[in-house]
Amino acid sequence: AQRVTQPEKLLSVFKGAPVELKCNYSYSGSPELFWYVQYSRQRLQLLLRHISRESIKGFTADLNKGETSFHLKKPFAQEEDSAMYYCALSGTSYDKVIFGPGTSLSVIP
Amino acid sequence: DARVTQTPRHKVTEMGQEVTMRCQPILGHNTVFWYRQTMMQGLELLAYFRNRAPLDDSGMPKDRFSAEMPDATLATLKIQPSEPRDSAVYFCASGQGYEQYFGPGTRLTVT
Repeated sequence: AQRVTQPEKLLSVFKGAPVELKCNYSYSGSPELFWYVQYSRQRLQLLLRHISRESIKGFTADLNKGETSFHLKKPFAQEEDSAMYYCALSGTSYDKVIFGPGTSLSVIP
Repeated sequence: DARVTQTPRHKVTEMGQEVTMRCQPILGHNTVFWYRQTMMQGLELLAYFRNRAPLDDSGMPKDRFSAEMPDATLATLKIQPSEPRDSAVYFCASGQGYEQYFGPGTRLTVT
């Protein structure tokens, strides 16, 4: 079955501390993986995707096929990083995207 | 800067009433998605279209929900009759390739 899990519903870290949002997936094949972010009162938007291998706003995500994980990391959290983060996967570029339940990140000043 | 638009942004209605939500996808995008977001369930895919044809609506309660794309510039999601458990934020998203662009959502409250 295709599924995305995010074990932490809520995550609080202090400003300047490292942050890691966990994501695990199950998929028969090689999916494309994404992180979406929703800031307060804003629409959901793409943060980064595995295929691009880029770092956005200091965030990176490494795909570990052996552990079927795609954890999101940032070495030094900022207050403006407080938001809801969704891990997601897709089979092909025109396939539906399956979202995880989301993790609410709160960065404490 | 092209954006997905949704109307209305907020809707309060009584149980049993019909609700219609509209979405204007980004011009040129050939895939349109409808999602429902609640605190309990997170983001659920209700239905999606490619080139205006419905591809998957398995996430949608068929007896009361319907989704259509009468033309390339308009997608609609209808609930008839509405129930209090339908209260949620409904998002539309459009895409061309991997990335999806989300609308601002319609916050529906059914009393």
